Amino acid sequence: GENVEQHPSTLSVQEGDSAVIKCTYSDSASNYFPWYKQELGKRPQLIIDIRSNVGEKKDQRIAVTLNKTAKHFSLHITETQPEDSAVYFCAATTSGTYKYIFGTGTRLKVLA
Amino acid sequence: NAGVTQTPKFQVLKTGQSMTLQCAQDMNHEYMSWYRQDPGMGLRLIHYSVGAGITDQGEVPNGYNVSRSTTEDFPLRLLSAAPSQTSVYFCASSYTGILHSPLHFGNGTRLTVT
Repeated sequence: GENVEQHPSTLSVQEGDSAVIKCTYSDSASNYFPWYKQELGKRPQLIIDIRSNVGEKKDQRIAVTLNKTAKHFSLHITETQPEDSAVYFCAATTSGTYKYIFGTGTRLKVLA
Repeated sequence: NAGVTQTPKFQVLKTGQSMTLQCAQDMNHEYMSWYRQDPGMGLRLIHYSVGAGITDQGEVPNGYNVSRSTTEDFPLRLLSAAPSQTSVYFCASSYTGILHSPLHFGNGTRLTVT
């Protein structure tokens, strides 16, 4: 079945440094890749997404890149701040299935 | 506009008891789904629905039932609770169509089965 692998499971960075989280998907028909941020005790919330016809998307300090050939996509956070500390989830889905398959999450800690 | 509303927020059950987790959305979303979240395992899809009267199984459907009689509501039923069902449950909804729209999550239900 469909599978999404996410690495690393934990990531600690100094404030101001960059953080990169990588995901690999198994279904070559997947065409939509959202990223969610979940703060402690809260619900997951969308921070950025990318469709398969785009290679990169940016929103201020956050960017996502997609490599369809290798079937992987990455989240890049620049100039990290303490409020970026949270668990980040990637997901993949395919048109017509509506089944979002999530990665296992990355706990990001930004050290002041 | 309340978005996705889940009730209750917390629940403790004894093994063998049954209960229903409620989920309602006011965004006229066709797609609704239930996930469970366990430490180190991410969000795993239990059941989902693409419209009233239509439901399908996700990755971990055993022990759970769903129904979709209206567009707004998508309850999740535990018929005979087991300790392995201790988890945080999230309901999520979105539009359907040619282009995907992002999932909107409820605030979750923390369930403990003793």
